[in-house]
Amino acid sequence: QQKVQQSPESLSVPEGGMASLNCTSSDRNFQYFWWYRQHSGEGPKALMSIFSDGDKKEGRFTAHLNKASLHVSLHIRDSQPSDSALYFCAASEHAEGADRLTFGKGTQLIIQP
Amino acid sequence: DTTVKQNPRYKLARVGKPVNLICSQTMNHDTMYWYQKKPNQAPKLLLFYYDKILNREADTFEKFQSSRPNNSFCSLYIGSAGLEYSAMYLCASSREGGRTEVFFGKGTRLTVV
Repeated sequence: QQKVQQSPESLSVPEGGMASLNCTSSDRNFQYFWWYRQHSGEGPKALMSIFSDGDKKEGRFTAHLNKASLHVSLHIRDSQPSDSALYFCAASEHAEGADRLTFGKGTQLIIQP
Repeated sequence: DTTVKQNPRYKLARVGKPVNLICSQTMNHDTMYWYQKKPNQAPKLLLFYYDKILNREADTFEKFQSSRPNNSFCSLYIGSAGLEYSAMYLCASSREGGRTEVFFGKGTRLTVV
């Protein structure tokens, strides 16, 4: 069973709209989460991290974590065509000098001009 | 410069032949990682080097080797490629400290025929 599950698999949002991406973990050892974004031809790049209950806002991006349900979400307001990309949710575990990431399969976000 | 570089970007290999993928970073990061990504699957951690110590994931232990001759370089070695090794291989790095950002390269797409 996938330890980190993302939904939806794909999402189409009009330019200027709100995009909402979801992620759920089945492992209570995961307490720290990242959102990564990957544009075509590029490697994944970190958007933001969250480990406290509640909201964390960075510009147009807001992450939300509910530790009780191990649910993480990412909300993008005023979506721009440049936001079109593959978005990964990743749970992080720190051990033996490494931050081991367990990824979900990703959500393909398309912003329609 | 927060770049992780991977060479080559594309590699074609024959079944049964060895494959060596190269990665470098100039951020003086303590830890370097290799992930495997197949279509419609989540990126999967194969192994990581913390300084000179190699840690391989349990389910990939016998399939992949790696070396890190110095802080900047890390290689991924497949002794005898099989069709199942066809995938995107992502190299990444991070500094020690916990809850730190993991930086990814653009990946090497390996096709085994």
